[in-house]
Amino acid sequence: GENVEQHPSTLSVQEGDSAVIKCTYSDSASNYFPWYKQELGKRPQLIIDIRSNVGEKKDQRIAVTLNKTAKHFSLHITETQPEDSAVYFCAASSRPASKLTFGTGTRLQVTL
Amino acid sequence: GAVVSQHPSRVICKSGTSVKIECRSLDFQATTMFWYRQFPKQSLMLMATSNEGSKATYEQGVEKDKFLINHASLTLSTLTVTSAHPEDSSFYICSARWQYNSPLHFGNGTRLTVT
Repeated sequence: GENVEQHPSTLSVQEGDSAVIKCTYSDSASNYFPWYKQELGKRPQLIIDIRSNVGEKKDQRIAVTLNKTAKHFSLHITETQPEDSAVYFCAASSRPASKLTFGTGTRLQVTL
Repeated sequence: GAVVSQHPSRVICKSGTSVKIECRSLDFQATTMFWYRQFPKQSLMLMATSNEGSKATYEQGVEKDKFLINHASLTLSTLTVTSAHPEDSSFYICSARWQYNSPLHFGNGTRLTVT
């Protein structure tokens, strides 16, 4: 089955700086890679996703890049704000409409 | 759109009792729903895939007789934790897609505490 690794487990940045979270996956058949933000005690919220036919996708301060050859994808948050503080999970789906396998999560702390 | 509702949000039960958690897709039909479990400071682990009108598919290591899943309609899936024990205390979250290959949307989750 699919295995998703995520790094770092914790990340602390100053407000205004950029944050980068990286994930690798094992199943070359995976074709869908979403990122979720989860605040304490709440549901994961989809913040951005990318499909295997695209190398990069951007939505305001958030961007995701995908390298299919290397089987890794990354989340980039620019101009971080305190409200960006949360746990971020990457995930991969091995085929359309299939179950998602989540990474281990990154706790992002944006300090003033 | 694509709202997933989960109930209850919190439940405390005594060891040995059973607890039912409901997951509803409010504005779409979900032929497939997924049940995840999340322990504190850990990732979401898939427990089972719930298919409308058929038996659920359980992940390795998840006891199907302990975690009963019923998906009787296109908008409702239920997870029953039978004979709950303190080690079953966790955050249970359901999720669903509104159509093939669309993003996964999560319910609010149920925090189960077994005393």
